[in-house]
Amino acid sequence: LAKTTQPISMDSYEGQEVNITCSHNNIATNDYITWYQQFPSQGPRFIIQGYKTKVTNEVASLFIPADRKSSTLSLPRVSLSDTAVYYCLVGSYNTDKLIFGTGTRLQVFP
Amino acid sequence: EPEVTQTPSHQVTQMGQEVILRCVPISNHLYFYWYRQILGQKVEFLVSFYNNEISEKSEIFDDQFSVERPDGSNFTLKIRSTKLEDSAMYFCATSYGAQSYEQYFGPGTRLTVT
Repeated sequence: LAKTTQPISMDSYEGQEVNITCSHNNIATNDYITWYQQFPSQGPRFIIQGYKTKVTNEVASLFIPADRKSSTLSLPRVSLSDTAVYYCLVGSYNTDKLIFGTGTRLQVFP
Repeated sequence: EPEVTQTPSHQVTQMGQEVILRCVPISNHLYFYWYRQILGQKVEFLVSFYNNEISEKSEIFDDQFSVERPDGSNFTLKIRSTKLEDSAMYFCATSYGAQSYEQYFGPGTRLTVT
């Protein structure tokens, strides 16, 4: 599975858009990109998943360039409750397991 | 929204004791997983389970660990003889399908081995 690299931490203020970029240089052709969110002492929660171009749901957008070596999770107008750790994962059709890295700790300030 | 539940929320046990962690999956889900997270560290995959058998397991999941779905509803993780280093948060996750399907995580069981 492709290794992922993302910033250790980010700070933002309420109402701002937050973009978290993840690099996955060794992504394989059939791999897909998934983002999870984790609050302290809780299980991870699925946010969004994509293969290429742009995916949007009610929570976030995911931008994947043509070479797929990186992806960007975009959180529009964050609130204090978006303070959490965000994980970028590369998934493969060869395995069911999720491989979590250290994630990006997002702190949202009032 | 359907959710995965886990019991107990916190388990304290002495080294060498057996523990059983329980999970109730979302009702129509077919794939089940256990992960653990040692305090301050990454979430680590332990095992995946489908059609009443283990489909994949990690190096962490040694002979001290076992999983089963005894009654068709609960999904359990047993640690036969706990060690201090087994202290962690254990998360059950379930999904409707394999691979690219979203995994739904439970709230976790905090296991403390003394």
